[in-house]
This record gives sequence, structure tokens and C-alpha cells, in this order.
Amino acid sequence: AQKVTQAQTEISVVEKEDVTLDCVYETRDTTYYLFWYKQPPSGELVFLIRRNSFDEQNEISGRYSWNFQKSTSSFNFTITASQVVDSAVYFCALRGPNSGYSTLTFGKGTMLLVSP
Amino acid sequence: GAGVSQTPSNKVTEKGKYVELRCDPISGHTALYWYRQSLGQGPEFLIYFQGTGAADDSGLPNDRFFAVRPEGSVSTLKIQRTERGDSAVYLCASSALAGPSTDTQYFGPGTRLTVL
Repeated sequence: AQKVTQAQTEISVVEKEDVTLDCVYETRDTTYYLFWYKQPPSGELVFLIRRNSFDEQNEISGRYSWNFQKSTSSFNFTITASQVVDSAVYFCALRGPNSGYSTLTFGKGTMLLVSP
Repeated sequence: GAGVSQTPSNKVTEKGKYVELRCDPISGHTALYWYRQSLGQGPEFLIYFQGTGAADDSGLPNDRFFAVRPEGSVSTLKIQRTERGDSAVYLCASSALAGPSTDTQYFGPGTRLTVL
């Protein structure tokens, strides 16, 4: 079975602080894909990034960066110099052949609150 | 349209009633997914369509839930004899190709269903 754990239920930071959201996953698949989605108060899930299990290079996109470590089954997400607009619930998700590659298994999400 | 659209945005019904939730995917996307998100939880997979056929309906909780996609575009999720436990946000997503390395699921804003 596949499982995604986001141990941090809620994080509060002050604007301009850096913040890291943790994601740990479990899968028996050797090939799989990991995702991060953002869910602002409006409710729509916004795609942020997809990584495949063969690519362990860290990725940076503006203030966002992702650290994928296969050895610890983690795919952590860091926001640098956080802004109020970053306030949202962030979900980590996993997809692999055990799910027919068709479905995403989500964690419970981490609510990030950035105050001015 | 530019993104996935869902109607209605909110639906309030009484226990035992029948409801239909509609999803209009991104134009040209062949794969369509339904998820259900309960309060404080991540989305949970319900059913996935490739074209007109349901390729995987393993997430439907029971036979009161049914979904169709007769022309391979718009999909309708149907819930019979609604129960209070069906209250949740129902999310629809679509992707260009349901393949392991090419597709990313893009989500709509969801329909918030409340069963009184």
C-alpha cells in the first residue's frame, strides 16, 4: 500500500521567514512520482511540482525549492522569504504503478499561516 | 475554458435525496478523475475515466455512488439516497494523458456538498 505522511498539521511564521514543509512517503514501487499541491482558501488545488523517483536532483523555482531524498523517503518543500500570499494548505502526493498510475495518494496536508 | 470547472459550487440537500455534481475538464484532456475531500483531510480517490469508460472505480465507497462520462468530456457524479456522511468537497481533475510519465492532474474548485 502507498502512504504519504505530513506530520506538521499547522505551521505559523512571520513574513520573510523561511519555512520547510515535510513529506515522508511509503511505497513498494521502484518507479513512482511525487507531487506538491497548494490549496488556498478559495479551495482549488494548484499544482506546484512533479518529480519522478529516478531524479533526485533538488529543484528551485523562485522562492520555492524541493529536496527529494530517496534514502529517507522524503520530499520536503521549502519556501524562502515567505509572504502572506503563501498562506494555504499544502499537500504532498504520490502516484505509482500500484495505483495503476491513475490515482494520487495524498497526505493530510500542512496548513501554513504567514502573518505580516 | 482555461481550467477545470465544476457546478454547482455548493449543494445543500436533505438526507435520502439524489444529487448530481458536474465536472467540465480542460479542453482536450482525455483523463478525468473524481476525488472527495473531507474536512481536515487530503483528497481521496473515487473514480477515474479514460475517455468514456471508467478505467478505475475502486475508490467509490458503495453502490450509491455512480459516475458517467458519456461523450468523453463532461462527467457527472451521481449520489443516490444521500447520507450525512457524504458531506464533503467533491473535486474533479483532468489530465492530458493518463500515462505514468506525462500527465499531471489539474483540479477544479470543487463542489461543497452538505447533507442535512
